[in-house]
Amino acid sequence: QKEVEQNSGPLSVPEGAIASLNCTYSDRGSQSFFWYRQYSGKSPELIMFIYSNGDKEDGRFTAQLNKASQYVSLLIRDSQPSDSATYLCAGILHGNNRLAFGKGNQVVVIP
Amino acid sequence: DVKVTQSSRYLVKRTGEKVFLECVQDMDHENMFWYRQDPGLGLRLIYFSYDVKMKEKGDIPEGYSVSREKKERFSLILESASTNQTSMYLCAAGQVTGVRGNTIYFGEGSWLTVV
Repeated sequence: QKEVEQNSGPLSVPEGAIASLNCTYSDRGSQSFFWYRQYSGKSPELIMFIYSNGDKEDGRFTAQLNKASQYVSLLIRDSQPSDSATYLCAGILHGNNRLAFGKGNQVVVIP
Repeated sequence: DVKVTQSSRYLVKRTGEKVFLECVQDMDHENMFWYRQDPGLGLRLIYFSYDVKMKEKGDIPEGYSVSREKKERFSLILESASTNQTSMYLCAAGQVTGVRGNTIYFGEGSWLTVV
């Protein structure tokens, strides 16, 4: 099993809807997780960091961490065409400072 | 915000050349990373460093080496460039050990073409 997995295919959502992205991780001891947004041809931009179980909100973004089930999710409320990008989930593996990424999920917001 | 600067944005090198990719951060962060990103393969970790002169292999270290002589600078070296090293290279820096406020930021990327 890969350390961090994002299995969903491209996600198309209408403008104004909620986009939901999921990520699972294999190392139960992992504690810190990040969501990045990456536009085509650009480098990843940090959206959020989450450490504690539960929800963390920042503007239209909400990250959720469930350590018992070993998944992290990202909700994008009121999706805008400018949210169309690839979203990357990453985690710091337990016991070292290695930052591992999932392969990403493409989101397309349809006007 | 941490600023991470990759000095070379676009490079074209010949097979067999030695290539240096430089990365500098403007904050006092211990952790720095080098990734390459290829279509369909995501970000793959080449090397990372958690302190000056310390380095750890990532998932794909073969054909690469790194240098971290100063805290702010982390260099990626391609000892003898090959065409399969044509890729986008991304440097990241940040804090990963804090309970709160962990942040890791990326540079703008270096597009390397080996011919």
